[in-house]
Amino acid sequence: QQQVKQSPQSLIVQKGGIPIINCAYENTAFDYFPWYQQFPGKGPALLIAIRPDVSEKKEGRFTISFNKSAKQFSLHIMDSQPGDSATYFCAASIQRGNKLVFGAGTILRVKS
Amino acid sequence: NAGVTQTPKFQVLKTGQSMTLQCAQDMNHNSMYWYRQDPGMGLRLIYYSASEGTTDKGEVPNGYNVSRLNKREFSLRLESAAPSQTSVYFCASSILTRVEAFFGQGTRLTVV
Repeated sequence: QQQVKQSPQSLIVQKGGIPIINCAYENTAFDYFPWYQQFPGKGPALLIAIRPDVSEKKEGRFTISFNKSAKQFSLHIMDSQPGDSATYFCAASIQRGNKLVFGAGTILRVKS
Repeated sequence: NAGVTQTPKFQVLKTGQSMTLQCAQDMNHNSMYWYRQDPGMGLRLIYYSASEGTTDKGEVPNGYNVSRLNKREFSLRLESAAPSQTSVYFCASSILTRVEAFFGQGTRLTVV
């Protein structure tokens, strides 16, 4: 039983395209929603995170959109580059619990 | 700064053998975690230690034990390895009052 459902499993876009990765959750106690980026052979690293009191957060070319009523959030990568090719994980946690629940991951390939 | 260091990076075990995965962090973090990563499953929490002297089970603790040796070190032990424990294991740490987790580079374990 996956508490955070992520889609798609894999995604291929052309350079300059805007890949979108979606996640959905059930537990309304979640109050912190990070995205992690993982390159082959490396551990995941925090990319961007959002709290449910805002609907959108941008950091450089990365944007999180958050829909609290639908219990969904998504990652958009503007002007995607081959260097963005990686596995992306959404996650959720209850802040004070300090435990992350991860989605299954999306393998992104950006073609040059 | 080294961040989170895991040893070994690769290991092959025979079914029934035991081993300990080591993890150390030099960021003075309070909380430490062990996750396993399997294809299509994302990262699943095995055990965590919210602070020195405490440990607790995560989502998939069966077949594992942990020891929080001191504030820096958190080890994961497989007493009798099984093929189902073939996975990539990640150690992570975080400051107690913040949720961003910093991951090590992983240990790829194969049980034959």
